[in-house]
Amino acid sequence: DAMVIQNPRYQVTQFGKPVTLSCSQTLNHNVMYWYQQKSSQAPKLLFHYYDKDFNNEADTPDNFQSRRPNTSFCFLDIRSPGLGDAAMYLCATSRDLRQTPIQETQYFGPGTRLLVL
Amino acid sequence: AQSVTQPDIHITVSEGASLELRCNYSYGATPYLFWYVQSPGQGLQLLLKYFSGDTLVQGIKGFEAEFKRSQSSFNLRKPSVHWSDAAEYFCAVGAGNNDMRFGAGTRLTVKP
Repeated sequence: DAMVIQNPRYQVTQFGKPVTLSCSQTLNHNVMYWYQQKSSQAPKLLFHYYDKDFNNEADTPDNFQSRRPNTSFCFLDIRSPGLGDAAMYLCATSRDLRQTPIQETQYFGPGTRLLVL
Repeated sequence: AQSVTQPDIHITVSEGASLELRCNYSYGATPYLFWYVQSPGQGLQLLLKYFSGDTLVQGIKGFEAEFKRSQSSFNLRKPSVHWSDAAEYFCAVGAGNNDMRFGAGTRLTVKP
């Protein structure tokens, strides 16, 4: 089945130690998103890639970076995790042909829960 | 920019009872509306979406939602709730680009 895969499902890191979260997709979608979701809150968009074009949300801290080496993979790098970065990180994809002004459906992975010690 | 309000943080219903989860949006143009469900520790699963056309939308798992432009609402309904429906439900609105905004969510508890 075509899907969005996130690894690992649970990640424990130490305060200040860089960590990378991984997302891959078999949907061949050209847009990939990273969301941060803290407990009992709505998912908050950090950034997205439209093909290779990186789009950062204005309030995303510099501590968060992303890489997309190819269509299938996208990584979230947290350079110096703080206790406040403990959250669920959700990856999503969509197909956006930009041929019509339509909101394409986003498909989500299962998420990676990050714990910062 | 678009925004979404889900007035109910937590709702409890008995198994077999009907359900309605409220969603109000704010957007100046035609909105693209979604309902997602999230089970504990899981990602978001799309229940249904509204882009245009018939304002009553059918989704998976027996859910439906009705778009009411005059009330800026997109409420989610189910005639008979099952214990497996217990989860967090998120309403979201898109603006026709890659920007989608989520509501704060409504947590559904189902009593036996």
